Amino acid sequence: KNQVEQSPQSLIILEGKNCTLQCNYTVSPFSNLRWYKQDTGRGPVSLTIMTFSENTKSNGRYTATLDADTKQSSLHITASQLSDSASYICVVSAFSSNTGKLIFGQGTTLQVKP
Amino acid sequence: DAGVIQSPRHEVTEMGQEVTLRCKLISGHNSLFWYRQTMMRGLELLIYFNNNVPIDDSGMPEDRFSAKMPNASFSTLKIQPSEPRDSAVYFCASSLGDRGTYEQYFGPGTRLTVT
Repeated sequence: KNQVEQSPQSLIILEGKNCTLQCNYTVSPFSNLRWYKQDTGRGPVSLTIMTFSENTKSNGRYTATLDADTKQSSLHITASQLSDSASYICVVSAFSSNTGKLIFGQGTTLQVKP
Repeated sequence: DAGVIQSPRHEVTEMGQEVTLRCKLISGHNSLFWYRQTMMRGLELLIYFNNNVPIDDSGMPEDRFSAKMPNASFSTLKIQPSEPRDSAVYFCASSLGDRGTYEQYFGPGTRLTVT
């Protein structure tokens, strides 16, 4: 069964600290993995997208890693800011030649406190 | 570019009423995705279109839900009759293609409340 699991479910950190969010998946056939940031009351915004051959990708203070062998991904946030408070959603794409599926994780809610 | 436009932003209706949600794609995009988000179930893909053709509607909950794409830039999601369990935020997303490598751009969502 195609599944994406994220941990932790929620996280509280102090401003300036680093944190790492986890995503484990069982999806076949794997096409790519994305991390989205969703601010309260808004639509998700893409942070990174990685294909099978990519191990790491950065977007400013956000760095995503992918281990296709263990089917794990992480999103590392460096020097957190109050504006990082949001939900972070891991999405795995399973696309073949004639069909496609997006499998969503439940998200990790991050709260950055001053 | 105005981005993906959704209307209305908020909708409150009574059970049994028909609800129509609207979405305008980003100019030049040819794929449209409808999602539903609730606290319990998170984000769920309902249906997606490529070049106005529905490709995968397996996420549509039941026959009360229907989606159309009458032209290349516009789509509607209709719920008839609506039920309280349909209460959720409905997002549409626009993309250059429906292959998994294309970026999806989400609209601001429509918050639907069915009483």
